[in-house]
Amino acid sequence: AQSVAQPEDQVNVAEGNPLTVKCTYSVSGNPYLFWYVQYPNRGLQFLLKYITGDNLVKGSYGFEAEFNKSQTSFHLKKPSALVSDSALYFCAVRPPRDNYGQNFVFGPGTRLSVLP
Amino acid sequence: DAMVIQNPRYQVTQFGKPVTLSCSQTLNHNVMYWYQQKSSQAPKLLFHYYDKDFNNEADTPDNFQSRRPNTSFCFLDIRSPGLGDAAMYLCATSRDGTEGGADTQYFGPGTRLTVL
Repeated sequence: AQSVAQPEDQVNVAEGNPLTVKCTYSVSGNPYLFWYVQYPNRGLQFLLKYITGDNLVKGSYGFEAEFNKSQTSFHLKKPSALVSDSALYFCAVRPPRDNYGQNFVFGPGTRLSVLP
Repeated sequence: DAMVIQNPRYQVTQFGKPVTLSCSQTLNHNVMYWYQQKSSQAPKLLFHYYDKDFNNEADTPDNFQSRRPNTSFCFLDIRSPGLGDAAMYLCATSRDGTEGGADTQYFGPGTRLTVL
């Protein structure tokens, strides 16, 4: 069965410090990996995705994520956190086949709080 | 520039009274999705349209129906809302399989449904 784990329900970090939001997955083959952010009472906003190639992916708002195939991880990172980064973050994976929508698996979400 | 629009943003209905939620998109994407999200949990896919082809998730209750009259619009109909159907409903779109399954899904702001 395909699954995505975000081992931390909550991450607290001081403004200006680096942040990491963790994601590990269990999917056969070489999946596509995504990060989304959700602000209160809003939809999900796409941050970045990994398809192939360079393991370090850069995305919106200064976020980046590192794909590690051996550890089946795709951790989200940012060198210097902002208070405005406080939100709910979702990792999602999708296996590499023509199966629109049915296999877009979300993790449970991690709430990030950046403290001033 | 709104790309995926959901109306209304907040909907209050009575137990058992049919309700329709609306989604429109200006991206000309051929795939449209409806998700249900409860209490900051991961979004749960209800169904999706690939062009005019309707794809229902196996565990989506019969109480939930959808219509897609054209490329731009998609509706979610809840025939007899129960208290357990109170949630955020998210519409998303993606282009067809030009990226072999790595298509990014773009989400609307959501409609928060309250059932009294």
